Amino acid sequence: GAVVSQHPSWVICKSGTSVKIECRSLDFQATTMFWYRQFPKQSLMLMATSNEGSKATYEQGVEKDKFLINHASLTLSTLTVTSAHPEDSSFYICSAKIGGGGSNEQFFGPGTRLTVL
Amino acid sequence: DAKTTQPPSMDCAEGRAANLPCNHSTISGNEYVYWYRQIHSQGPQYIIHGLKNNETNEMASLIITEDRKSSTLILPHATLRDTAVYYCIAPYGQNFVFGPGTRLSVLP
Repeated sequence: GAVVSQHPSWVICKSGTSVKIECRSLDFQATTMFWYRQFPKQSLMLMATSNEGSKATYEQGVEKDKFLINHASLTLSTLTVTSAHPEDSSFYICSAKIGGGGSNEQFFGPGTRLTVL
Repeated sequence: DAKTTQPPSMDCAEGRAANLPCNHSTISGNEYVYWYRQIHSQGPQYIIHGLKNNETNEMASLIITEDRKSSTLILPHATLRDTAVYYCIAPYGQNFVFGPGTRLSVLP
C-alpha cells in the first residue's frame, strides 16, 4: 500500500516551454503533498507544500509564479514549471502524507527528471 | 538546516550488519525520527520511524537512546542492494528537511 506515482518519469523540453508533472497517490487519499527538487550529488530540497483545495505554501527562494502547484483532488497534485530554462533542469520528486493522525510519514514518488535544452 | 547530523559515508561488508548513526540532539519530546534511503535516480524509500522505543520491521531495526539525542539504524545482514544514501530526518512540523545523509557502500 501507500504507492505514489509520478508522470512523466523523464522529460526533455526546449527553453521557454512549460512542463507539467503529475503526482498521484494510488491507493490512499493525501490531504498534503510535497514537492522537492534535487540537483546532482545534492540532497532533496523542499520546494512547496500543497493541501487539497487550497493554495500551496512555497519555501523561501522558490518562485510561486514559476512553479505552479495545483492540488485539485485528494489523489492528484501537479507541478508546472513555466518558461523553463536550463537552470531548471533537475530531479523533481513529490511525496504524499496520509491525512490525519499523528504520523508525519511521507510516501515518495519515483521522481521526474527534467532536462531543459 | 536539517536537525540531524550523520557521517557522510560508510562501508560495510556484504552479509554483515550495517550500523548507521544519527545525532538529533535538538529533537523535541514528541517528534518522531524517520529513516529513508535513496538509491540512485529513484525517490526516497521509507525504512522505519520511531519515537522513544526501539523499533524493528522487515527492513531494519532502529535503536533510539534513552535521552533521544541520537539513534542508530541497523541493517542486520547488508546486501549489495542496500547500497544507497540513508537519510535520518526529524521533521519541522510536517515538513521533512533532508540533510546530506550517509552514503552506505556495501562491498562484496
